[in-house]
Amino acid sequence: GQQVMQIPQYQHVQEGEDFTTYCNSSTTLSNIQWYKQRPGGHPVFLIQLVKSGEVKKQKRLTFQFGEAKKNSSLHITATQTTDVGTYFCAGGNAGGTSYGKLTFGQGTILTVHP
Amino acid sequence: DTEVTQTPKHLVMGMTNKKSLKCEQHMGHRAMYWYKQKAKKPPELMFVYSYEKLSINESVPSRFSPECPNSSLLNLHLHALQPEDSALYLCASSPSPLRTGDNEQFFGPGTRLTVL
Repeated sequence: GQQVMQIPQYQHVQEGEDFTTYCNSSTTLSNIQWYKQRPGGHPVFLIQLVKSGEVKKQKRLTFQFGEAKKNSSLHITATQTTDVGTYFCAGGNAGGTSYGKLTFGQGTILTVHP
Repeated sequence: DTEVTQTPKHLVMGMTNKKSLKCEQHMGHRAMYWYKQKAKKPPELMFVYSYEKLSINESVPSRFSPECPNSSLLNLHLHALQPEDSALYLCASSPSPLRTGDNEQFFGPGTRLTVL
C-alpha cells in the first residue's frame, strides 16, 4: 500500500533558527496536506498542495510539492516558541478508490529552545 | 460553527464494559472519520463515512463498531476492549468525500481512552 516517509523524526532548534521537514511517498500523490499538532492537542490543518511543483507561503511557513508529486517539504523561517509541536504531512491517493483517505507521515516533533 | 466536538474527553473502562464515543459537527460536512492515535505516532485511520454510509473500514476489530445516525453525528461503540486499545480517539470531518481526498480534515479534540 501507499507509504509516506517523513524526516527527521525529531528536531531541536534555538529560537530564530530555521526548520525543515521532508516527506517522501512511495507512489504519486493526488495532493498533500500538512497538519500541526501541539502537545496535548489535536491535528490542525495548515495547508493543502495539489499541483506539481506548487509552492505556498503562510507568513514564516513555506510549503512545497515536488514536480513528480511524490515529495513535499515544510520550511519555517526564524522559528518561535509558538512553533513547537508535531508536524505531519498526509498524502492523498492518486487514482485510488479510497474516499477521503489520507496516508500520514510519521511526523516531525519540533522543539524550540528560547 | 466551525468545530468538531467529541465527548467524553476522557474515558476509563474495564475490558468487560460497553461504552460509546460521540462526535458532532455542524459544518455541513458529508465525510466523517474515526482515527486512533498512540503517543508520538501519527493518526491511524479506522473508519470513513461518506454521506452517512460506511465507505472505509481499515480492518478494525469488531470490538469497535461505528455508527452514523445522521450527517452531523458519528458514534464509536466499544465492547470488550483490550488494554492495548488505550489511545486518543480522534474524530474528523471534511466537506465532501472526494475520491482522492482533496479536502482538508477538521479534527475534534479527541477522547483519551484508558482500558484497564
